[in-house]
Amino acid sequence: DAGVIQSPRHEVTEMGQEVTLRCKPISGHNSLFWYRQTMMRGLELLIYFNNNVPIDDSGMPEDRFSAKMPNASFSTLKIQPSEPRDSAVYFCASSLRRENEKLFFGSGTQLSVL
Amino acid sequence: DAKTTQPNSMESNEEEPVHLPCNHSTISGTDYIHWYRQLPSQGPEYVIHGLTSNVNNRMASLAIAEDRKSSTLILHRATLRDAAVYYCILRDYNNNDMRFGAGTRLTVKP
Repeated sequence: DAGVIQSPRHEVTEMGQEVTLRCKPISGHNSLFWYRQTMMRGLELLIYFNNNVPIDDSGMPEDRFSAKMPNASFSTLKIQPSEPRDSAVYFCASSLRRENEKLFFGSGTQLSVL
Repeated sequence: DAKTTQPNSMESNEEEPVHLPCNHSTISGTDYIHWYRQLPSQGPEYVIHGLTSNVNNRMASLAIAEDRKSSTLILHRATLRDAAVYYCILRDYNNNDMRFGAGTRLTVKP
């Protein structure tokens, strides 16, 4: 398996623009997680899904952020409108929905909002 | 609310053992202890996890205190490739989320 695939690897955009980050989990995994990492705040859990259903989105910072998982093999994280403080590395991770299954992380998307 | 406490940084010499401590005094009976590490410019990767008994795998060993209020990740022979941030995380088996703290930055000197 190719692992968790995120795209794009790098995204540079201007303030106010819409940004969509994409994630393809490992085939067969039924839990998916979105994280954001910055120097100031570390690695923050934004939202996670079980069987394509959002379970906990308490980490989503604002209404400008939204995440969807239309099927088991694809998820998106959208920021609209984007702001400079959204600049961060965004990671997607997937796992099997079993007791304490380990998470597999993608390589991340480096987002820069100018 | 930080559930685990780790030193900000540690140093080790190459090919020597490394003991990375973690305090989790508020651990509950349903919490597993997980360790992940993050190499530079990469996403975190799983290292090991345990509940009550010590655990060993090809990457590391996990020593858990009898009262479970602390644990230690042991790298038996540190290599330069082990330089990373190591995260100790409590994960309730009733929930599926995984929340990271600040971790310990390990530097390995040749």
